[in-house]
Amino acid sequence: EVQLVESGGGLVQPGGSLRLSCVASGFTFDNYWMSWVRQAPGKGLEWVANIRQEGGEKYYVDSVKGRFTISRDNAKNSLDLQMDSLRPEDTAVYYCARRGASPDYWGQGTLVTVSS
Amino acid sequence: ETVLTQSPATLSLSPGERVTLSCRASQNVDTYLAWYQQKPGQPPRLLIYDSSNRAAGIPARFSGSGSGTDFSLTITSLEPEDFAVYYCQQRDNRPFTFGQGTKLEI
Repeated sequence: EVQLVESGGGLVQPGGSLRLSCVASGFTFDNYWMSWVRQAPGKGLEWVANIRQEGGEKYYVDSVKGRFTISRDNAKNSLDLQMDSLRPEDTAVYYCARRGASPDYWGQGTLVTVSS
Repeated sequence: ETVLTQSPATLSLSPGERVTLSCRASQNVDTYLAWYQQKPGQPPRLLIYDSSNRAAGIPARFSGSGSGTDFSLTITSLEPEDFAVYYCQQRDNRPFTFGQGTKLEI
């Protein structure tokens, strides 16, 4: 059974940093692109970033470029999102998802709240 | 950036009815369009990928069609569990974008 479990969310002040993690199981992790997608409270979905199987190719939505970094550790079946210079508009549930383009499996999400 | 516009924003229907949801892209996305279903407090669930392919385990009452800029998702006979929010998403060009969603309510 495919499982994706996110962690690392919480309350952070504007300008602060947070690192999200996702541990995958039930499939061959290094065969897949992986993605982060977020959803602000009561709003729609926004694709944030994705990363190729070996980690050599990464893409970001413009609003997070230069502030967020996606990475993966295939030996540990883990996906990370380092978030720096956080803004109130980054407040959302962050989902880890399998596949880079039209994700087929999603975690339950972790809530990030950016507020003073 | 490709903007996806879904219509209508909300639909009020009854179980057993047939419904067609629309998604229009601001530029050609070929057939690289997916549909997701999301219920409150849950992550999205992939229903359809590449315009017309049902994802694993998705019932046959869900079907997708379209190419270029105009797409649709049809549910032939609504079940109580189908009342949710539906999103379209394109993967033809980055950033991959989602529509704003259509809420299906009883």
